[in-house]
Amino acid sequence: GQSLEQPSEVTAVEGAIVQINCTYQTSGFYGLSWYQQHDGGAPTFLSYNALDGLEETGRFSSFLSRSDSYGYLLLQELQMKDSASYFCAESMDSNYQLIWGAGTKLIIKP
Amino acid sequence: ETGVTQTPRHLVMGMTNKKSLKCEQHLGHNAMYWYKQSAKKPLELMFVYSLEERVENNSVPSRFSPECPNSSHLFLHLHTLQPEDSALYLCASSQDRDRGYEQYFGPGTRLTVT
Repeated sequence: GQSLEQPSEVTAVEGAIVQINCTYQTSGFYGLSWYQQHDGGAPTFLSYNALDGLEETGRFSSFLSRSDSYGYLLLQELQMKDSASYFCAESMDSNYQLIWGAGTKLIIKP
Repeated sequence: ETGVTQTPRHLVMGMTNKKSLKCEQHLGHNAMYWYKQSAKKPLELMFVYSLEERVENNSVPSRFSPECPNSSHLFLHLHTLQPEDSALYLCASSQDRDRGYEQYFGPGTRLTVT
């Protein structure tokens, strides 16, 4: 079946830049979304890429390379509040059914 | 607050009980979703409703029964559950099916089956 791969955990320092990678299956690929989930909280939408390139939203950017079946989420000027789990999710054939990665826990140290 | 509410927030039930989870969205969206989230595992899509019509049922056991009486409300009826059904159940909505990549989630119901 379809699956996405992302690191289970990433550690970074406050104020630094961190990149969270995601590789996906190509069959029926439509687009790649990113979500943030704090412990005990609900997932919240961050970004969506359907075309190759970089999408920037404030401190967060998301990149997609369809030829490499790869995307990443880039977080700049890390703040302690960015400590959370980050999920990539793939849309296939249409946009309403998302296939999710297992999430990357981002640990930020002072 | 995302505009999606879920009740109850926590539920403990025995395997022979019947209970229902409720979800309400105040965003004017036309699509709603039920997910199961277990620790260290990807979110599992259970059901999708678009304009009150079920459009997806991902091989979910019949002990889970969804109901969508209108575009703002979604229920998940539970009966004779198993301990492995213990998880966080999340409800989400999107503007419509075409914008399903941008979903708004409720806080979830933490379900424990004893």
